[in-house]
Amino acid sequence: NAGVTQTPKFRILKIGQSMTLQCTQDMNHNYMYWYRQDPGMGLKLIYYSVGAGITDKGEVPNGYNVSRSTTEDFPLRLELAAPSQTSVYFCASSYGGRGETQYFGPGTRLLVL
Amino acid sequence: AQSVTQPDIHITVSEGASLELRCNYSYGATPYLFWYVQSPGQGLQLLLKYFSGDTLVQGIKGFEAEFKRSQSSFNLRKPSVHWSDAAEYFCAVAGRSGGGADGLTFGKGTHLIIQP
Repeated sequence: NAGVTQTPKFRILKIGQSMTLQCTQDMNHNYMYWYRQDPGMGLKLIYYSVGAGITDKGEVPNGYNVSRSTTEDFPLRLELAAPSQTSVYFCASSYGGRGETQYFGPGTRLLVL
Repeated sequence: AQSVTQPDIHITVSEGASLELRCNYSYGATPYLFWYVQSPGQGLQLLLKYFSGDTLVQGIKGFEAEFKRSQSSFNLRKPSVHWSDAAEYFCAVAGRSGGGADGLTFGKGTHLIIQP
């Protein structure tokens, strides 16, 4: 099993550009999550999904969109990139909700200039 | 609302010495608590977790943690550290700081440095 994979590993965007961060898991997990990690700030939840077709906002959803059309994939969309979105983005998945172990991908480093 | 505090931003320990990383949480009910480790440039890996039962939990890589409800703490310990333990350590509680059961609320992390 590859676990949770994320692409790209690194990207530079100009202000106002859009992009999609890809996340795929092969563990047949129902729950998937997107977090962002800023230096010295820990991880904060952006969006999450409890199954295909179901998504909900986390702590810091502004400026992002998600969709979940399959169990395996959970892409994160940035429509109008802003410098404040410079961060490292982690995707995670878990079999169930509260209390289940979350498995993390290697992360995508995004720089918005 | 849930919150997690890791009081120590950086900790330096000599190789072979013991380690304790502190974590305090705020949660209204019985918390689900986690410790994750992040090596440089990597994702997060679960070290251990606590749901209920025995308050001393064992994890991978020789780590253990003790849940103390009276002190709202879940400190991570290791009797003898190795140079490979140098990493960022995150304590987390299940649930979101703005409410809701799903997702994790993380502390800001403790950066562990190992001296030879």
